[in-house]
Amino acid sequence: NAGVMQNPRHLVRRRGQEARLRCSPMKGHSHVYWYRQLPEEGLKFMVYLQKENIIDESGMPKERFSAEFPKEGPSILRIQQVVRGDSAAYFCASSPLSAALGEKLFFGSGTQLSVL
Amino acid sequence: RKEVEQDPGPFNVPEGATVAFNCTYSNSASQSFFWYRQDCRKEPKLLMSVYSSGNEDGRFTAQLNRASQYISLLIRDSKLGDSATYLCVVIFAGGSQGNLIFGKGTKLSVKP
Repeated sequence: NAGVMQNPRHLVRRRGQEARLRCSPMKGHSHVYWYRQLPEEGLKFMVYLQKENIIDESGMPKERFSAEFPKEGPSILRIQQVVRGDSAAYFCASSPLSAALGEKLFFGSGTQLSVL
Repeated sequence: RKEVEQDPGPFNVPEGATVAFNCTYSNSASQSFFWYRQDCRKEPKLLMSVYSSGNEDGRFTAQLNRASQYISLLIRDSKLGDSATYLCVVIFAGGSQGNLIFGKGTKLSVKP
């Protein structure tokens, strides 16, 4: 049973390009969370999705950022027109039920985004 | 007031030492608590859940103090491999952010 798979592991983009980060949750998990982590900082919540639905996107900037979790395929975090400040590690986590029920999260290895 | 606060450290301790971290939370309606461990540049991994009655897993003991709104993690007989950042996680009833809030973490460095 594979864990949470994130790709790419490292992504380099120039300012103004688009970044697409993918996350395949563990088998049987329908809840996906995206977090951003800057160096020496904690994990910042971005968005919480459950199959085909965005449940909570309060941590995601309203411009340039979007997320989806289609019925088939991985969850995608999309950043348009990247800027240097978007450089960070982006972690995806999944759980079988809502974390609000006390379910633990399983994290992917993250995508390190570097914007030149 | 921040929702979940931790002393960032670093805590520098020799092998074999006992070390304790605290984590305070602001929402009295919080209902579930966890400690995660994060190694440098890697993903967080669940270390242990924190139960109202306290719980122990080998050298690790977690406790919850609802009256004072904090949780603690005690590590006995520290090993070099315990060096990591320890993240406190709190689940708020009815909150946003998927109801789950991470502290910024406490960095532990165990020296030989």
